[in-house]
Amino acid sequence: GQQLNQSPQSMFIQEGEDVSMNCTSSSIFNTWLWYKQDPGEGPVLLIALYKAGELTSNGRLTAQFGITRKDSFLNISASIPSDVGIYFCAGQRETGTASKLTFGTGTRLQVTL
Amino acid sequence: DSGVTQTPKHLITATGQRVTLRCSPRSGDLSVYWYQQSLDQGLQFLIQYYNGEERAKGNILERFSAQQFPDLHSELNLSSLELGDSALYFCASSVAQETQYFGPGTRLLVL
Repeated sequence: GQQLNQSPQSMFIQEGEDVSMNCTSSSIFNTWLWYKQDPGEGPVLLIALYKAGELTSNGRLTAQFGITRKDSFLNISASIPSDVGIYFCAGQRETGTASKLTFGTGTRLQVTL
Repeated sequence: DSGVTQTPKHLITATGQRVTLRCSPRSGDLSVYWYQQSLDQGLQFLIQYYNGEERAKGNILERFSAQQFPDLHSELNLSSLELGDSALYFCASSVAQETQYFGPGTRLLVL
């Protein structure tokens, strides 16, 4: 099945550093979402973006909906150990009550002390 | 806690068997979605139900089927299981087509 291109695939950073990751698609989405998944758990929604160009923050997280509607970016500032996990972007298309999420390939984040 | 519940948490079965995974959406949510996540893979959309009716379909095998009941809970049926069906299966729910909230998943192991 289709997956969005997400980079980097993995990151090893030190506590306190900032992190950037991005997601690109060949097609347009109406909504971009960022999820975090811990091992053996379900994805947890971090940020939802609904408009091209929109910049939204949630604590130390900031995400942007690309102006072309084909990409999105997530930044994490001043990383802490509990930021460890896999981050997935997801593009959403809705048609009436039908909705489908297409997920990125994931960015695995490791934070060292 | 997203408010979406899934049972069972773990399931071990043999090839050729049939299993049923159950999902209860968040209170008030009419849409239920099913996703498959194989080892070290992203999530693949399988199917969406809205208020009891199928609304969107992804890469769902013919051996798999789902339904949503009048009380809005959903079941995913997997039959003639193969080794490659071993994966995490997630259910998500939303009010209609808005933001989806995921359950904790069912880990299926086919031996």
